[in-house]
Amino acid sequence: LAKTTQPISMDSYEGQEVNITCSHNNIATNDYITWYQQFPSQGPRFIIQGYKTKVTNEVASLFIPADRKSSTLSLPRVSLSDTAVYYCLVGGDNQGGKLIFGQGTELSVKP
Amino acid sequence: DAGVIQSPRHEVTEMGQEVTLRCKPISGHDYLFWYRQTMMRGLELLIYFNNNVPIDDSGMPEDRFSAKMPNASFSTLKIQPSEPRDSAVYFCASSPSPGLADISTDTQYFGPGTRLTVL
Repeated sequence: LAKTTQPISMDSYEGQEVNITCSHNNIATNDYITWYQQFPSQGPRFIIQGYKTKVTNEVASLFIPADRKSSTLSLPRVSLSDTAVYYCLVGGDNQGGKLIFGQGTELSVKP
Repeated sequence: DAGVIQSPRHEVTEMGQEVTLRCKPISGHDYLFWYRQTMMRGLELLIYFNNNVPIDDSGMPEDRFSAKMPNASFSTLKIQPSEPRDSAVYFCASSPSPGLADISTDTQYFGPGTRLTVL
C-alpha cells in the first residue's frame, strides 16, 4: 500500500480557499486517491475520490497531476464548520478494505 | 438509511472486565471494518469482514480482542479482559462491494464510534 505524506496542520480564515497537498510517491497503477474528513467526536466521512486529472463535487475539488505522485484537495471558501482533520488515502478498488489512515492534516479555520 | 449504528456510544469499565461493542452495518454492504482511534496511534484498522467472513485480523492487538459477524446485519468486537491501554474510540465502518457503477470505490461509511474508558 502506498504511503502518504501530508502536512500535520494548516490554518486558514473564513472565506479563503484551502489547498491541502498529499504526497504518494509509490502509488500503484490501480490505486485510487481518496480523502476523508473527520470532525471531533465523529467518525471519518468520505469527501472525494479520484484516479487522475480533476474531480469536483459539491464539497471539494481534487487535483491529480499526470504522474499521480501527489494530489491536492481544494476546499473553496471555507467556513468555521470546515475545521476538521483531513485524511488522504491511497488504495486499490476496495482491496479488502486496506485503507491506511495516516496522521491527517488538522485544518483550523478562524473567523 | 440510518447509517452505521454502534452501541453503546460510551462505555466505562474496570480493568479485567469483559467489554462488548456492537455494530450494525448499512444494509446491503458486504464489507465491515473495525477501527480503533487514539491520540498516540491515530486511526488503526483492527479487522475486517467480507460477507460475514473475517478476511484480515492482523491489526488485532492481541488475543484479548476478538470479533464476530454472525450475520450480515450485526458484528461484535469483544475485549476480555480489558486493560486501561484499551481506552480509545472504536469505530465500525461498512462499504459496498466494488464494481457498482454508482458507488465510489473504497468509500467506507463510519459509525459514530464507541468511546471506551477502562479504569
